[in-house]
Amino acid sequence: GAVVSQHPSRVICKSGTSVKIECRSLDFQATTMFWYRQFPKQSLMLMATSNEGSKATYEQGVEKDKFLINHASLTLSTLTVTSAHPEDSSFYICSAPRQGTGGSETQYFGPGTRLLVL
Amino acid sequence: GESVGLHLPTLSVQEGDNSIINCAYSNSASDYFIWYKQESGKGPQFIIDIRSNMDKRQGQRVTVLLNKTVKHLSLQIAATQPGDSAVYFCAYDTGRRALTFGSGTRLQVQP
Repeated sequence: GAVVSQHPSRVICKSGTSVKIECRSLDFQATTMFWYRQFPKQSLMLMATSNEGSKATYEQGVEKDKFLINHASLTLSTLTVTSAHPEDSSFYICSAPRQGTGGSETQYFGPGTRLLVL
Repeated sequence: GESVGLHLPTLSVQEGDNSIINCAYSNSASDYFIWYKQESGKGPQFIIDIRSNMDKRQGQRVTVLLNKTVKHLSLQIAATQPGDSAVYFCAYDTGRRALTFGSGTRLQVQP
């Protein structure tokens, strides 16, 4: 079953509005989560690292004031796209690392959120 | 700069054949590589991973090969099935747990 969930799965909004996307780790805690963006027919690009209890770290070229990240608890990170514009339309995907047996770690991805800004 | 790239954007195979998807990477410092499968409109699904101290790892119907000398990674899928049709991404750990993804290969399985 799924180990990482996202909500909503898709959202349509008007230009200039803000949209919040939630990422939850199911049945495990994640002090760190990652947010990626994927444009059509392209690969995933890391946007930022969400850290529980501290500020998120953003990749070069990603505006931290536009993409607000809040790691509210050990199982929840939110990404808010502020003043969304059509060019922000994309597939937003989060991931969370989960410890496995033997100390190994696997990144599990959420199902993604399709954002369409009109 | 750092990059993970693929030789073939689309691979079409017959059902039952074996598939091989290739990936070249440029960051020799990476020690952890992963293959993901992504179906349309969904998030990436973990397939198999390998660490740099290994050159081969097998899973159920899948095998990952790592050649660190030429910075090449491959995913082999045995007896490919229609359900294997998807986009496959290689990715590597940048050392800070975030992943860098390759450009992806679309696998089309013909019945």
